[in-house]
Amino acid sequence: GAGVSQSPSNKVTEKGKDVELRCDPISGHTALYWYRQSLGQGLEFLIYFQGNSAPDKSGLPSDRFSAERTGGSVSTLTIQRTQQEDSAVYLCASSLNRGGNEQFFGPGTRLTVL
Amino acid sequence: GENVEQHPSTLSVQEGDSAVIKCTYSDSASNYFPWYKQELGKGPQLIIDIRSNVGEKKDQRIAVTLNKTAKHFSLHITETQPEDSAVYFCAALPLLGYIPTFGRGTSLIVHP
Repeated sequence: GAGVSQSPSNKVTEKGKDVELRCDPISGHTALYWYRQSLGQGLEFLIYFQGNSAPDKSGLPSDRFSAERTGGSVSTLTIQRTQQEDSAVYLCASSLNRGGNEQFFGPGTRLTVL
Repeated sequence: GENVEQHPSTLSVQEGDSAVIKCTYSDSASNYFPWYKQELGKGPQLIIDIRSNVGEKKDQRIAVTLNKTAKHFSLHITETQPEDSAVYFCAALPLLGYIPTFGRGTSLIVHP
């Protein structure tokens, strides 16, 4: 079976542009997470979805960041007016349901803001 | 909230040696402790996990130990091989929680 997929794998953009990052979780997984990983750093939690709703958006660093999930499946992370400090690898993970279950990570999207 | 400290940040060993990575956590309500391995250019992958009702778990060359009293848990890799070279992350999650708190990672380098 397919794992978690993310697209694009790499994205280079200019400061001030908007970007959309996509995550396709494993079919049937109700929980979906977005993380940010800066070079040589750990995993910074951004947002958690249970189904289509996001009960926890506490990790979003600013109002330039937003995410949605439709049909309990695909999720899109949008960054508006990108800044150089947004450059990082954005990882998506899904799990069968919330908490205490293995998270399956995608390969990530490497975002570079020039 | 939960705070997870992970040490060392870098670990260099010779092939065949053992490697130990340690994590401490602050929230006594945490009861699920996964370990992830992240190879270059890939997402993290679960390699072993432990719940607070057990003190040790083994899977071939890897093992995890948990000391609830001291609030620390460790990853042990025996007979290391070059393909074990990667970044390893520990994490902690409380019983009713849904967002794991990750350590900052350990870069393990196994020299042939």
